[in-house]
Order: sequence, then C-alpha cells, then structure tokens
Amino acid sequence: EPEVTQTPSHQVTQMGQEVILRCVPISNHLYFYWYRQILGQKVEFLVSFYNNEISEKSEIFDDQFSVERPDGSNFTLKIRSTKLEDSAMYFCALSPSTYTEAFFGQGTRLTVV
Amino acid sequence: DAKTTQPNSMESNEEEPVHLPCNHSTISGTDYIHWYRQLPSQGPEYVIHGLTSNVNNRMASLAIAEDRKSSTLILHRATLRDAAVYYCILRDVVRGGNKLVFGAGTILRVKS
Repeated sequence: EPEVTQTPSHQVTQMGQEVILRCVPISNHLYFYWYRQILGQKVEFLVSFYNNEISEKSEIFDDQFSVERPDGSNFTLKIRSTKLEDSAMYFCALSPSTYTEAFFGQGTRLTVV
Repeated sequence: DAKTTQPNSMESNEEEPVHLPCNHSTISGTDYIHWYRQLPSQGPEYVIHGLTSNVNNRMASLAIAEDRKSSTLILHRATLRDAAVYYCILRDVVRGGNKLVFGAGTILRVKS
C-alpha cells in the first residue's frame, strides 16, 4: 500500500475556477510538500509545510496558492483562480523526518482549459 | 540550495551493472545525499540516501567519496524496468524547509 494517495488523479477545470488537490497520508508524517511538473520539464518545488505552517515556499507559490491540513490528516493545495499555465502534474510528498526519505504520491494531472 | 551535476543521459545493457555519477562539490555538513528516480508518467520514487558511509538496500548501492564531493548510484543488474530519470539531490536536514530540489537528472536507457 502506498504511503500517500492523491485525489483526484486527473482534473479538468475552466480558467478562473478554484481547484483543490488532496493528499492523504497513510501513516504519521511530519513534513509535507507540494511539487509540480509541467509536461516535459523538471519537478519544481512549490511549498513545504511543518507543524501546521508553511516553512518555505518558492516564487511559484504566489497568492493564488494556499495549503492546509484542515482535519489533521488530509493535506490540500488550493489554487484560487486557475490559469492556463497552471496545467501540470502536481505531486504531494511526505516525510516522517528530515533524516529519512520522502514519499511521493502518484500525482494529480491538472488541465486548465 | 546546494547543487548537483549529473550526466544528461546514460545507456546500459540489461543484466549489467550501472554506475550513475553525481558531483556535489559545494555540499555542506548538514546535507544528506538522496537519489530518486522517476519512471515515465509516475511520481518520483525514493531509491537510496546516505550521509558519509556507503549504503546498500534492495534497490541499489550508494558509494560516497571520502570528501563527500561526489557519489555514485550503483544498480547491480539493470532491468528494462530501471529505465527512468535518476535524480541526485542534496537534502539539508536543518535549513531550507528540508525540501528536495530536483535538477534535470540522468536519463537512463536500458537496452535488451
């Protein structure tokens, strides 16, 4: 069983709409991350989250993006008003500690039309 | 963010060992050396990581230079399923949100 499950696997949305991507950890993790990968490009860091707050974010992670763990379990990424250039694979990653490996989900393919 | 340098691509024959090199001359004392791989249309997958000593697991071995400025991922017997992009990443356990920063990686092609 994978350490982390992402839902949905694929989402198509209209430009300007809000989307919420979800990440469900199987076991206890302390460190949470979101990454994205535009087709044909490298995996890009978006944000890291620890102890219920953002510990670091990249330039990509602007005011249109937000993250939270509303129920202490699911970890979500919200994009408030999607743009065409937000189309990408979004990966959630989890880590029990900074000294161990990170577990990546299988990703959500977001298509903005 | 500490950077790594890897060859763009490598090719191997099936059933033969593969040595994937990585240079990280600016590594700091709090950086762990991580290797991940990404198969086509999948998320990154953990392979192995270490700090100073060589490491072995069921997937691979990691050889770390004594000065820690380079490392080599060793796949002992490559299979077609090992064809992927392999990323060598330095993860700071203290600073920088402990994030993994991906470069372009090495595309490994395995010939049957």
